[in-house]
Amino acid sequence: AQTVTQSQPEMSVQEAETVTLSCTYDTSESDYYLFWYKQPPSRQMILVIRQEAYKQQNATENRFSVNFQKAAKSFSLKISDSQLGDAAMYFCAYRRTQGGSEKLVFGKGTKLTVNP
Amino acid sequence: DAGVIQSPRHEVTEMGQEVTLRCKPISGHNSLFWYRQTMMRGLELLIYFNNNVPIDDSGMPEDRFSAKMPNASFSTLKIQPSEPRDSAVYFCASSSGEGYTFGSGTRLTVV
Repeated sequence: AQTVTQSQPEMSVQEAETVTLSCTYDTSESDYYLFWYKQPPSRQMILVIRQEAYKQQNATENRFSVNFQKAAKSFSLKISDSQLGDAAMYFCAYRRTQGGSEKLVFGKGTKLTVNP
Repeated sequence: DAGVIQSPRHEVTEMGQEVTLRCKPISGHNSLFWYRQTMMRGLELLIYFNNNVPIDDSGMPEDRFSAKMPNASFSTLKIQPSEPRDSAVYFCASSSGEGYTFGSGTRLTVV
């Protein structure tokens, strides 16, 4: 079964510092997509970054980057120069495709606090 | 583009009443998903439509839940009769095959 594990229920970081959120997943597929979503108190699910498994290069979006280790099935998110607006729940997700169906399988989330 | 539009944003209803949640996906997206978010179970897929056809409804909890997609621009999720354990945030998301865009969700409270 495909699962996504986020081992850090909560993390905190000082404003302007760097923080890394961990995510591991389990899959038997060779080609797939991984995502990080941000959910602020407004509850809107916002796509932060996406990684295609066949691409060797780690995805980057401004201050957000990932460390994708395919063999280890690890997909961590690094936030550089943390800002107060980065405070939110962060969810790692794996896109599962099977038998003509697809869905995102989410981890339980990591609550990120940014301290001024 | 206005994104994925869900209504209502909040819904409070009494146990036993019928509840209908609505979703308008992004134009041109051929996949639509209904997710439910609770503290206990996190985010879980309820049903997936592709080109307006239900493909995977294995996540629908029981017969009290039903979903329809009569056309490419509208979908509903209905709960009848509602129960307190249905209280959750319900998200609709649409996709063109590469990325997924979520609506703002409907917070349902069944008292």
